[in-house]
Amino acid sequence: EAGVAQSPRYKIIEKRQSVAFWCNPISGHATLYWYQQILGQGPKLLIQFQNNGVVDDSQLPKDRFSAERLKGVDSTLKIQPAKLEDSAVYLCASSLDLSTEAFFGQGTRLTVV
Amino acid sequence: AQTVTQSQPEMSVQEAETVTLSCTYDTSESDYYLFWYKQPPSRQMILVIRQEAYKQQNATENRFSVNFQKAAKSFSLKISDSQLGDAAMYFCAYSDNYGQNFVFGPGTRLSVLP
Repeated sequence: EAGVAQSPRYKIIEKRQSVAFWCNPISGHATLYWYQQILGQGPKLLIQFQNNGVVDDSQLPKDRFSAERLKGVDSTLKIQPAKLEDSAVYLCASSLDLSTEAFFGQGTRLTVV
Repeated sequence: AQTVTQSQPEMSVQEAETVTLSCTYDTSESDYYLFWYKQPPSRQMILVIRQEAYKQQNATENRFSVNFQKAAKSFSLKISDSQLGDAAMYFCAYSDNYGQNFVFGPGTRLSVLP
């Protein structure tokens, strides 16, 4: 069974530029999560989708971050414009449904210079 | 808001020995889920063990077991017969009964000494 796929693995951009990350969850998984993990810290949930609807985006900085899951399958997370403090690993995870085990991708390491 | 605390930034254990990682949390809910995740250097987060708060029996998965103390809001992870492959960051996490309000602790870095 294929796992959660994320791309790119690494990205370096200058501050004020835009960047987008892509996630393809495990086939059949209804719930999709985006997390931000700053170096030395635990992951912080940015947004949680159930199919193509948003369940929780309370910690998403909506002035610069956006995410979509239009067809209820893959998802993109965008940052526009990026700030230095956005440097982190962005993890995508998926689960069959709410409250079932979440499977994580390998993440995208973003460096903003 | 729910919080998860891991008071041990780093721990080490001798190979084949037993180690316990601590976790405390704060919630006003009575039903919720607790998790331990392992994150090796490859960055991929792997679920180690999960506990439903309504279950009094402590969850176990092979060499991994938890000590769930609901009244004390404590959820420690015991690793028995430690192996070199157990070396990783370990994160304690909480979610509510609906699988929402997911919160991770700051993590404990576990080293396994040969």
